[in-house]
Amino acid sequence: GIQVEQSPPDLILQEGANSTLRCNFSDSVNNLQWFHQNPWGQLINLFYIPSGTKQNGRLSATTVATERYSLLYISSSQTTDSGVYFCAVERGAGNMLTFGGGTRLMVKP
Amino acid sequence: EAQVTQNPRYLITVTGKKLTVTCSQNMNHEYMSWYRQDPGLGLRQIYYSMNVEVTDKGDVPEGYKVSRKEKRNFPLILESPSPNQTSLYFCASRSMGQPQHFGDGTRLSIL
Repeated sequence: GIQVEQSPPDLILQEGANSTLRCNFSDSVNNLQWFHQNPWGQLINLFYIPSGTKQNGRLSATTVATERYSLLYISSSQTTDSGVYFCAVERGAGNMLTFGGGTRLMVKP
Repeated sequence: EAQVTQNPRYLITVTGKKLTVTCSQNMNHEYMSWYRQDPGLGLRQIYYSMNVEVTDKGDVPEGYKVSRKEKRNFPLILESPSPNQTSLYFCASRSMGQPQHFGDGTRLSIL
């Protein structure tokens, strides 16, 4: 099956710093999504991004499908950005999603 | 308010006692899925559905059943739960070409 790898696995930032999270996948995909799991366990969709670049406030994402990777940028990080960030790839004709292992982010005040 | 609702949120039960976790969405989404989340293993898809009466296995379907009799509901059934099914479970829904919406999760503990 498809492999989805995220890096780094853990990241500690000082408030106000910028960061880049990476998601590599081993095969062609139909789509890619980024999610944030907050400290209360809720999973929130950040981006639905098959290719190109999207921005939402301090967050932006870029997917280069031909090279099989996606990047999530967090600028001017805040303590509320803490949690785990997952990418998930959609493959096949149906609703099958495969998640990466996540990047655990801690933003210190 | 658009949402995916799971019940119960927490459940402690014993091996072999059948249980059902309900999932309901109010967004008229065609696609629904169940995932389990385990430390060190991440999120793994159990079953998914592309519409009423259309379901298929995900990556870890063993020990689970689902049904999709109505578009809004997608219950997860554990006919004979075992301790290795202790986990955090998420239901999700979406429309084709749209982002996934998750419920708040159900924490199951099977003794």
